[in-house]
Amino acid sequence: GENVGLHLPTLSVQEGDNSIINCAYSNSASDYFIWYKQESGKGPQFIIDIRSNMDKRQGQRVTVLLNKTVKHLSLQIAATQPGDSAVYFCAENNNQGGKLIFGQGTELSVKP
Amino acid sequence: DTEVTQTPKHLVMGMTNKKSLKCEQHMGHRAMYWYKQKAKKPPELMFVYSYEKLSINESVPSRFSPECPNSSLLNLHLHALQPEDSALYLCASSRSETGMGAFFGQGTRLTVV
Repeated sequence: GENVGLHLPTLSVQEGDNSIINCAYSNSASDYFIWYKQESGKGPQFIIDIRSNMDKRQGQRVTVLLNKTVKHLSLQIAATQPGDSAVYFCAENNNQGGKLIFGQGTELSVKP
Repeated sequence: DTEVTQTPKHLVMGMTNKKSLKCEQHMGHRAMYWYKQKAKKPPELMFVYSYEKLSINESVPSRFSPECPNSSLLNLHLHALQPEDSALYLCASSRSETGMGAFFGQGTRLTVV
């Protein structure tokens, strides 16, 4: 059944600050990870991905860090802007032929 | 073109209706997916098509019937749905069934009355 009343974890930051969003994954066999941004009423938007043979990957204002030892993924957003406000999901490919599985998500709120 | 296009954007249907959701991509991707998303929850995988063949069915009830007419199109046929099936239905595509670089459409907001 559904967990009625379950709330998304929320991160509130000031505009211009850096944001760090964390994700724990469960399957040590997962070899590929994606971060998505989802704004209200829209589909998930691809931000950045990383393969398991890497520890870090940088994009424009975003960095993804992967720690396979503790099965942890993080997304760092530099100089956070109001337009970054959204729900952020990590997703892992757990090596079961196309199963891209999503984490629970974190709601990022940017205060101007 | 890096878009996945879904139609309709909104759909209201009765429990006895039959309707279809459509998804289209022109990126040459060979894997396509249907996900279901409830409010404040992550997307949940329903079906995976790889090279136009159904490769994963996540034990989805038979009132949801997927179809992949060709490598660019993916349909989801709906029949005898229940109000609890109301959700955002998302289509995605990727280069292969590894899910690498998967892009999502904007979704169809389905309400079953």
